[in-house]
Amino acid sequence: NAGVTQTPKFRILKIGQSMTLQCTQDMNHNYMYWYRQDPGMGLKLIYYSVGAGITDKGEVPNGYNVSRSTTEDFPLRLELAAPSQTSVYFCASSYGRVVNTEAFFGQGTRLTVV
Amino acid sequence: GQQLNQSPQSMFIQEGEDVSMNCTSSSIFNTWLWYKQDPGEGPVLLIALYKAGELTSNGRLTAQFGITRKDSFLNISASIPSDVGIYFCVVTSGSRLTFGEGTQLTVNP
Repeated sequence: NAGVTQTPKFRILKIGQSMTLQCTQDMNHNYMYWYRQDPGMGLKLIYYSVGAGITDKGEVPNGYNVSRSTTEDFPLRLELAAPSQTSVYFCASSYGRVVNTEAFFGQGTRLTVV
Repeated sequence: GQQLNQSPQSMFIQEGEDVSMNCTSSSIFNTWLWYKQDPGEGPVLLIALYKAGELTSNGRLTAQFGITRKDSFLNISASIPSDVGIYFCVVTSGSRLTFGEGTQLTVNP
C-alpha cells in the first residue's frame, strides 16, 4: 500500500497564481483532511471530508477550496495565491472519525508564494 | 478555538537520557494522542489514550491521560538518535484533530 500520496512535493507560486495540491489514498478511507503547518507551529485544519460528495470547513478555510468526487482523491485548490499561504500542506485520511481511528498523513507539499 | 499548551518548546539532550514533555488544556477532552513528525515527513501516531488516568506504553515511550482530562504527558526513556523530531500532543473533537505547537527534540550522540 502506498498510503496517502501528495503531489507535488515542492512548488513556488507567484502572487495571484492558482494551483491544485493533489492528494490520493489507497486505503479505502472515508475521511480525508487538509492541514497546513507554519514554521514552529502545529498543524491547523483547512478542510475535511467525511465521504465522497461531502466537505466541510476547518479552522482556516479562507483562500482555499476542496472537492471530493471519489473516495480516493481530495484535491485542495488555491485560487489567488498570497504570501500568507506559504506553508507546508499535509493531507491525511482515516477510516472513521479520528476520535477512535488513526489518521495517516502524507509527506507534505512545501509551498512558497513570492 | 481550542488551545493546547505544550512544553517545553525544544529540548537538547544527550543520547541515553530520559525525556519528559507535557500538554495542558483549559478544556476537557476524551481522547489524547501523541504524534511524532520526523524531519521532512508527515506526523505519525505514537500513542492513543482513551481513558482518564490511563497509562500506556509503546516500547521506550510511555504516555498518561491526566485524571482531570485536561492534560497528558509523554516520557521517552534511554533516548537514541532516531528519537529526533517534533512531538505533538493532539486532541480530537468529532472529525477534527487539534495539534499543540510541538516539542522539538534534538539528541546528541
